[in-house]
Amino acid sequence: TQLLEQSPQFLSIQEGENLTVYCNSSSVFSSLQWYRQEPGEGPVLLVTVVTGGEVKKLKRLTFQFGDARKDSSLHITAAQPGDTGLYLCADPWGSNFGNEKLTFGTGTRLTIIP
Amino acid sequence: DVKVTQSSRYLVKRTGEKVFLECVQDMDHENMFWYRQDPGLGLRLIYFSYDVKMKEKGDIPEGYSVSREKKERFSLILESASTNQTSMYLCASSPGTSDYNEQFFGPGTRLTVL
Repeated sequence: TQLLEQSPQFLSIQEGENLTVYCNSSSVFSSLQWYRQEPGEGPVLLVTVVTGGEVKKLKRLTFQFGDARKDSSLHITAAQPGDTGLYLCADPWGSNFGNEKLTFGTGTRLTIIP
Repeated sequence: DVKVTQSSRYLVKRTGEKVFLECVQDMDHENMFWYRQDPGLGLRLIYFSYDVKMKEKGDIPEGYSVSREKKERFSLILESASTNQTSMYLCASSPGTSDYNEQFFGPGTRLTVL
């Protein structure tokens, strides 16, 4: 099981600003998932990135997978209060097709101030 | 709409009590998971199950057991609760039928052991 480091651990910014959070590993990811957890709820999948160098966009969120597949970033443009939450990266792993388990990073807790 | 439900949102128990946390999914998923979530430590896998009556240990199984008698239901059991098991417990399920399986989470049970 590899270790996933997320940075920063906490981030508090004003509405309308841009931000980037990071997920890094010492090992190569086969793929990487990003989840968002809102207060009082369980995590919800935002995106899965698979190919090195891949960029995926989800409205104001841009996800990038590093060329070497050892890191990923999430960039939010013009942050809104609804973006507040805990952002988690997760590494699917396991030996059986379809039975992947997830190793989660420790998360970035994002607060958007109105 | 897919749904994972957990029997309680909040639970307070005394040291030494036997505690049952119940999780039900209505998506006919093969895989089910139990995690605990602690500040600064992220989500850590306790146990998972990829079929009825099948279970495998995750990263932190000590002090816990599980039961999966029916496909839709996965129970986490604390045989003798201790204060260090005070935590947020999250249940999840995934289809187990394709690559990059998304995990669907319940809202969590916040357990306090006094």
